[in-house]
Amino acid sequence: SQKIEQNSEALNIQEGKTATLTCNYTNYSPAYLQWYRQDPGRGPVFLLLIRENEKEKRKERLKVTFDTTLKQSLFHITASQPADSATYLCALDVGGNMLTFGGGTRLMVKP
Amino acid sequence: EAEVAQSPRYKITEKSQAVAFWCDPISGHATLYWYRQILGQGPELLVQFQDESVVDDSQLPKDRFSAERLKGVDSTLKIQPAELGDSAMYLCASSLVSPETRNEQFFGPGTRLTVL
Repeated sequence: SQKIEQNSEALNIQEGKTATLTCNYTNYSPAYLQWYRQDPGRGPVFLLLIRENEKEKRKERLKVTFDTTLKQSLFHITASQPADSATYLCALDVGGNMLTFGGGTRLMVKP
Repeated sequence: EAEVAQSPRYKITEKSQAVAFWCDPISGHATLYWYRQILGQGPELLVQFQDESVVDDSQLPKDRFSAERLKGVDSTLKIQPAELGDSAMYLCASSLVSPETRNEQFFGPGTRLTVL
């Protein structure tokens, strides 16, 4: 069956360190993958998109990798700040202009 | 900056009552989505519209849920009758699908439904 797995346990890191979040999937062949940030009680906000033919994408302190062989995407936040504390969702293209979302990983950055 | 509008933000109802949620997408976005998000989980797609047409509603519980987008702009999601298990956040999103944006979705603030 199709599955998207993100670490359901919260990730706690110290301010200034690099946070690395994982998104693994099975039985999908997405043409692209997206990452969203969601704060409590609010809708998700788009962060980055990476296509299947791209290995890595960067935006300011954010970096995403996409390994279609391993069926995995890694999301990195360098020099993390308490303001980066939120839930991060990965979403896979499943065709027909639809996305399927993972369960999200909560990141807590401590000062 | 243009935003997706949703109302109400919060709704408390008793089971077996009817509820309705409204969404106004970003102007010019032809594609509109309704998602349900249970606390601690990711959003789950309920229905997708392209203009006024339903593209996918395979996950919409059609015995009690209905959605419409009559003029291809704003949309309404209805639940009748509401059940305890419907308590969740209902999110609306819109997108301008193109080769450049590849379906980046813009989400509204959501409607938090509590069924008592």
